[in-house]
Amino acid sequence: DAKTTQPNSMESNEEEPVHLPCNHSTISGTDYIHWYRQLPSQGPEYVIHGLTSNVNNRMASLAIAEDRKSSTLILHRATLRDAAVYYCILRDWGGSQGNLIFGKGTKLSVKP
Amino acid sequence: SAVISQKPSRDICQRGTSLTIQCQVDSQVTMMFWYRQQPGQSLTLIATANQGSEATYESGFVIDKFPISRPNLTFSTLTVSNMSPEDSSIYLCSAALAGGPETQYFGPGTRLLVL
Repeated sequence: DAKTTQPNSMESNEEEPVHLPCNHSTISGTDYIHWYRQLPSQGPEYVIHGLTSNVNNRMASLAIAEDRKSSTLILHRATLRDAAVYYCILRDWGGSQGNLIFGKGTKLSVKP
Repeated sequence: SAVISQKPSRDICQRGTSLTIQCQVDSQVTMMFWYRQQPGQSLTLIATANQGSEATYESGFVIDKFPISRPNLTFSTLTVSNMSPEDSSIYLCSAALAGGPETQYFGPGTRLLVL
């Protein structure tokens, strides 16, 4: 699977939008972009995924660059509960076994 | 969706002993995985648990140290054998419902401390 690069940490204020960047310059045509997050003392949980078009769900939005070499996870209004490590992961469904390969992620801190 | 439970949630063990961790999914799943998360680190895949056959291990992990069973589509076990303090980690079970760009679900983890 192709590699992703994320900032080690970011800070946000409560109720403000948060933009979490991810670079994946070696992405292939069959790589989906997935985001997971891990709250303190919990297992990771799915946030969102996309292939080419921007995606929205109840948790977040995913903005994908036109060349797909970068993407941004957008939390529209950060809450204290959003403090977590956010992982950007590429998954090639062309022939992989489906497991996720985790990088170091971005630790998001939310200030009240 | 799938809800995953793990037993035990935590344990303190003596070196040289073995611990078996159970993973139960509330629905039938295609794929099950075991991950390890060492203190302050990201997750590392140990193996894919295959139903009715031997697990597929990642580089650096071997069956003698981490034997895995998967007798059916909802249950798997991971044994950490002949433990040493270096095995102190969080062990997480994960499952995916189908092959494709599906979400992957994680259990809460088993926190293991080896003295």
